[in-house]
Amino acid sequence: HLQLQESGPGLVKPSETLSLTCTVSGGSISVSYYYWGWLRQPPGKGLEWIGSIYYSGSICYNPSLMSRVTISVDASEDRFSLQLSSVTAADTAVYYCAKYERRLRPDGFDSWGQGTLVTVSS
Amino acid sequence: QSVLTQPPSVSAAPGQKVTISCSGSSSNVGNNYVCWYQQLSGTAPKLLIYDNDKRPPGIPGRISGSKSGTSATLGITGLQTGDEADYYCGTWDSSLSAYVFGTGTKVTVL
Repeated sequence: HLQLQESGPGLVKPSETLSLTCTVSGGSISVSYYYWGWLRQPPGKGLEWIGSIYYSGSICYNPSLMSRVTISVDASEDRFSLQLSSVTAADTAVYYCAKYERRLRPDGFDSWGQGTLVTVSS
Repeated sequence: QSVLTQPPSVSAAPGQKVTISCSGSSSNVGNNYVCWYQQLSGTAPKLLIYDNDKRPPGIPGRISGSKSGTSATLGITGLQTGDEADYYCGTWDSSLSAYVFGTGTKVTVL
């Protein structure tokens, strides 16, 4: 049974870089046609896709965040990471990692991590 | 704001049926597969429907999805108290080059 777990600081200062890691267990991150994404949800608000990656390193980002986002993968450790630079209070959200299949362009996210709240505050 | 519009809330008595609409455009719902997610309070979303009308393993048959033109619909029959949650539609938007979610609908079981 595939499991995803987000980890990283729960508090980040304004203008700094938010860094999170998603560790995949119960399976390999390198399975063909498994794709991995980052999403977020501000408190009391809706869901937003941030970007996605394939174990080979192919990436796609949400254009609205692309200038500040870097997603990377470490297939040998079955984990992938998110960096979001120059954060502001508007980046305060629960951040989720999730899996989907078939192609890099996101499709139905069928496995999710539990989510981790990141607060941007001084 | 989201390019996919959902009603803020729907409600019905136990055992009854609810439907949730997801209205978009030709750049998203009209030409791409739609998914539906259920988010119970304080938990991660769960995939209920993919490819407009397909259920992942473990999702009961009382959950259904459909699509016509630029609108998609989620149906839940035999409503249970455990169905109280927020529901989101999601799909690719070819103009934005982004995966987008609907505004979300809160289902209340009366």
